[in-house]
Amino acid sequence: EAQVTQNPRYLITVTGKKLTVTCSQNMNHEYMSWYRQDPGLGLRQIYYSMNVEVTDKGDVPEGYKVSRKEKRNFPLILESPSPNQTSLYFCASRKQDGSSYEQYFGPGTRLTVT
Amino acid sequence: DAKTTQPTSMDCAEGRAANLPCNHSTISGNEYVYWYRQIHSQGPQYIIHGLKNNETNEMASLIITEDRKSSTLILPHATLRDTAVYYCIVRSYNNAGNMLTFGGGTRLMVKP
Repeated sequence: EAQVTQNPRYLITVTGKKLTVTCSQNMNHEYMSWYRQDPGLGLRQIYYSMNVEVTDKGDVPEGYKVSRKEKRNFPLILESPSPNQTSLYFCASRKQDGSSYEQYFGPGTRLTVT
Repeated sequence: DAKTTQPTSMDCAEGRAANLPCNHSTISGNEYVYWYRQIHSQGPQYIIHGLKNNETNEMASLIITEDRKSSTLILPHATLRDTAVYYCIVRSYNNAGNMLTFGGGTRLMVKP
């Protein structure tokens, strides 16, 4: 089954404790992206990657890092999480060749930073 | 990318057609209209997209006005599982970041 998976689905952590949220897709998509969703602000893009070893900032990249060492994986790293990063995070992927306009989203990771 | 305007919420009776409007009066010639939905904190789900012709797939129909300044998503026989927030998004093919800008959307409540 074609899907985007994220782990963990729920995470409560403390300020400053480094964490990684993993994202994996099994559709051989070139493009992957991370969004955060906050009440009243909609979904905002954090980082995206058009292919392996190619990443770029989205609208709200501060406080986040990403890496794209393999095509299927696109982890989101919070080196020193702060309470304002408490949010619902979504990973997404799609083909990059322009033949598909559909982005596939993961189930979400709800992060709470205390 | 052009801005979109949608009603905040709508109700629909189960089994009836749900018609969700979207205004995008500043849309430009190379911008597509996309519809996604999000069922209670799940990941957004693609529904349909179009440029200027009406489109239909197994989930819905998309009607785009001739001047392309507005569109309507039609769910022909709404079920309780169609209760969700529906997002109308306008995006150019050349959007370098492939970013989808989700606005407030329309909260559709399908009632028995």
